[in-house]
This record gives sequence, C-alpha cells and structure tokens, in this order.
Amino acid sequence: KQEVTQIPAALSVPEGENLVLNCSFTDSAIYNLQWFRQDPGKGLTSLLLIQSSQREQTSGRLNASLDKSSGRSTLYIAASQPGDSATYLCASTDSWGKLQFGAGTQVVVTP
Amino acid sequence: NAGVTQTPKFRVLKTGQSMTLLCAQDMNHEYMYWYRQDPGMGLRLIHYSVGEGTTAKGEVPDGYNVSRLKKQNFLLGLESAAPSQTSVYFCASRPGTGLGGYTFGSGTRLTVV
Repeated sequence: KQEVTQIPAALSVPEGENLVLNCSFTDSAIYNLQWFRQDPGKGLTSLLLIQSSQREQTSGRLNASLDKSSGRSTLYIAASQPGDSATYLCASTDSWGKLQFGAGTQVVVTP
Repeated sequence: NAGVTQTPKFRVLKTGQSMTLLCAQDMNHEYMYWYRQDPGMGLRLIHYSVGEGTTAKGEVPDGYNVSRLKKQNFLLGLESAAPSQTSVYFCASRPGTGLGGYTFGSGTRLTVV
C-alpha cells in the first residue's frame, strides 16, 4: 500500500525567504504526483502536477521536482509572501486517478 | 463557472440518521471521487467512479454507499450515521486518465452526535 509522508508538519518563515516542502512515497510505481494548496475551511486547489516521466514542473514562483527512484518530491516556493500561508498537500496517483495524500505541511509566512 | 459544487455545506446528524451528500460538476469530467478529511490523517478515498453508472470502493468505504446515475452527479449516502463519520467530505473530479488534473469542491462539514 502506498504511503505518502510530508515533513515537516509545520513551518514558519519570514516573508521573502524561500520555502522547501518535502514529500516522500514508498511505492515508486506512481502515475503522477500532484501538489495542492488548502486554505483553512476551504477545498483543495491544484498547484502543480508532475507526470511520472517528468522531473519537474514550474508555475510562476512554484517549482516541483520528482525523483521516482528515491521516492521523493520537493515543492519550492520562491520569495515567500504572507499570502502563501496555507497547508500544502502532496498526493501520488495511480492509473485510476486515485489520490494517496500525505498529511500536509502547514506553512505560515510572517510579514 | 461553477466547477464542482457540493451540497449541503454543513450538516449535523443524530446517530442512526441517514443522509445524502450531492456532488455536481459541470465540466463533463469522466472520473469523480469522494474523500474524507480528518485531523492529522490527510484525505482518504471513500468511493470513486470512472464513468456514468460505475462505482468502486476506495480505502475507507464501510458505512457509505454511492451512486452515479448521471455523469455530472455523484451521490454519497450514509445509511445509519455514526460519530466516527464526523468529518469533512470532499468531492473531486477529473477529465480522465492522462487528461488533466483534479478539481475539488469546497467540502461538506458533517457532525454526527
């Protein structure tokens, strides 16, 4: 059974610092890897989706890497802003699109 | 531009009562999913559907039933609610395998007393 782990569980940084969020998974036979953002009391917003054949994806200040052989993905957020405060979730996907989530990293960016 | 709409947004049930949660999407997506989110446990898959008329069990299906009679709707039923089913329920949809990412609804917060 796929297990997805996110470390750290919580992170607090001053505005302007770069954020590095880690995600590890036990089964490398994933279809793709996705990063989501969740604001308190809200649903999930998709940030980046990395296909299993890709090494990374970029969108604006966000960059996500994928290393299937080591079972790791990393989300980088450059020049963090208070608006980046949220919980970030990673999830692996199988061929049926079923998501296996990590428990998330709660991020606070202080002004 | 509704995306995925969940109703109701909040509900309080007494133990043993039944209810149905509705998920509706207007994007013509093939695949639909129901997840529950509990503190410290992330989201776990309850049931999913890969097309109209199909359903399949996920990781935590016990105590729940689903139906997908129309492509745009995915219903989650609780026949006899238990306090362990207190959770936030999220519905999601996606176009199909290899065709793009997921769209999530805003969630239904259910409390069973």
